[in-house]
Amino acid sequence: ETGVTQTPRHLVMGMTNKKSLKCEQHLGHNAMYWYKQSAKKPLELMFVYNFKEQTENNSVPSRFSPECPNSSHLFLHLHTLQPEDSALYLCASSQEIGGYYGYTFGSGTRLTVV
Amino acid sequence: QKEVEQNSGPLSVPEGAIASLNCTYSDRGSQSFFWYRQYSGKSPELIMFIYSNGDKEDGRFTAQLNKASQYVSLLIRDSQPSDSATYLCAVNEPQEYGNKLVFGAGTILRVKS
Repeated sequence: ETGVTQTPRHLVMGMTNKKSLKCEQHLGHNAMYWYKQSAKKPLELMFVYNFKEQTENNSVPSRFSPECPNSSHLFLHLHTLQPEDSALYLCASSQEIGGYYGYTFGSGTRLTVV
Repeated sequence: QKEVEQNSGPLSVPEGAIASLNCTYSDRGSQSFFWYRQYSGKSPELIMFIYSNGDKEDGRFTAQLNKASQYVSLLIRDSQPSDSATYLCAVNEPQEYGNKLVFGAGTILRVKS
């Protein structure tokens, strides 16, 4: 399998649930990113990892917890979310940090918090 | 705060016409420039990239870069209804601790048949 793969594609969870989003890239890239995109709004950068080390956290609430065990895998652990957290969550990767050659996006996880 | 600005639209063009999408950026040190297409509810897809001043053509798409004016544009010739989407401009900008890809908010394009 090639490219950036995200699972699950859709997720409905209650506010007291704990769930995780998974991202895997098969491109040999060294940097990975989590973005949030709410309906009809721009991309919001959440977290940046370079060689599995976190380099950026854009003031994201602690109910979102990222994990990057290696350069190919990225997780976003979710707990006690709010309805306003419902959005499309996108994972992306790039050959090097900063994206000189651009980012490759996964298909996203459509999250609904009820 | 470095910025990448796009007109949010919607830009409406008739089928077969040329759609012109524009983007300005604030950092003169920016080195690479990208156009992504995003269909509603889907993830962004890279359609064009450009590194040097001038035009770059790929099929019906032409990217134009003018670094002196800090301006990058995307032309879509013979627009089709399937081109209706949000187009995101992204600019690789130097930051204090390395480069960063900064996205514009996107322009909605509607091609009317």
